[in-house]
Amino acid sequence: DVKVTQSSRYLVKRTGEKVFLECVQDMDHENMFWYRQDPGLGLRLIYFSYDVKMKEKGDIPEGYSVSREKKERFSLILESASTNQTSMYLCASSSTGIVTDTQYFGPGTRLTVL
Amino acid sequence: AQKITQTQPGMFVQEKEAVTLDCTYDTSDPSYGLFWYKQPSSGEMIFLIYQGSYDQQNATEGRYSLNFQKARKSANLVISASQLGDSAMYFCAMRRTAGANNLFFGTGTRLTVIP
Repeated sequence: DVKVTQSSRYLVKRTGEKVFLECVQDMDHENMFWYRQDPGLGLRLIYFSYDVKMKEKGDIPEGYSVSREKKERFSLILESASTNQTSMYLCASSSTGIVTDTQYFGPGTRLTVL
Repeated sequence: AQKITQTQPGMFVQEKEAVTLDCTYDTSDPSYGLFWYKQPSSGEMIFLIYQGSYDQQNATEGRYSLNFQKARKSANLVISASQLGDSAMYFCAMRRTAGANNLFFGTGTRLTVIP
C-alpha cells in the first residue's frame, strides 16, 4: 500500500515564525503536492513538484515556499507565518503522467497560527 | 478554466438506503479524469473511485458507483446500502491529462448516515 506521512498532525505556531511541514512518501512517486483545505473552499493547490529540485506554483503560492531535495520528501515552508495561514495542510503523491493514476494523501497537518 | 461544482453542502441518508452525491464539472480539455474522495473526521483523504472521460462504462467499486453523463458534464457518486461508517465529507475532483497533474476539487458534501 502507498503510504504518505506528514511530520505532525497538529501544530501551533506564533505569527512571524518560520514553519516547516514535512511530507514523505514510500512509493517512489515522481509527483508530490501540497494542498490547503479550508471550510467551504475545498482543497486548493499551493505547490507541486514533478521531480527532485523541480517545483511549480499552484493556485495559492503566496506566503509559501517548498523544497524537494530527495524524491521521497517534499517540504512546505511558511517563511513568516500569519494568522490567515491557519488551515489544514494535505500532502499527496502520484506517479507521472498517467491520468488514471490517483493521488494518495497523507493524514494532514492542522496548523494554527496565533 | 476548469471547475468542479458540488451543490449539496450536506446530505442525510437512512442506514441501508442508497444516496447520490452530485458533481458537475467544466473543462475544455478533451481528455480528463474524475475522482471521488472520502474524508472522515480523522482528516485523511481516501480515494474511492475513478472515471476517465473516454470510458464507455460507468465506474463501480463495491458499494460505490459513478453515474457519468458526459454531455451534461456530471459525475455523480452513488453509494448503495449506506453504512454508519459512510458518514464523512465527500469530494469530487478532476485531473487534467496535459500539463500539471494536480487535482481540482469541489467544495465537498458532508454526508450523515442516520441509524
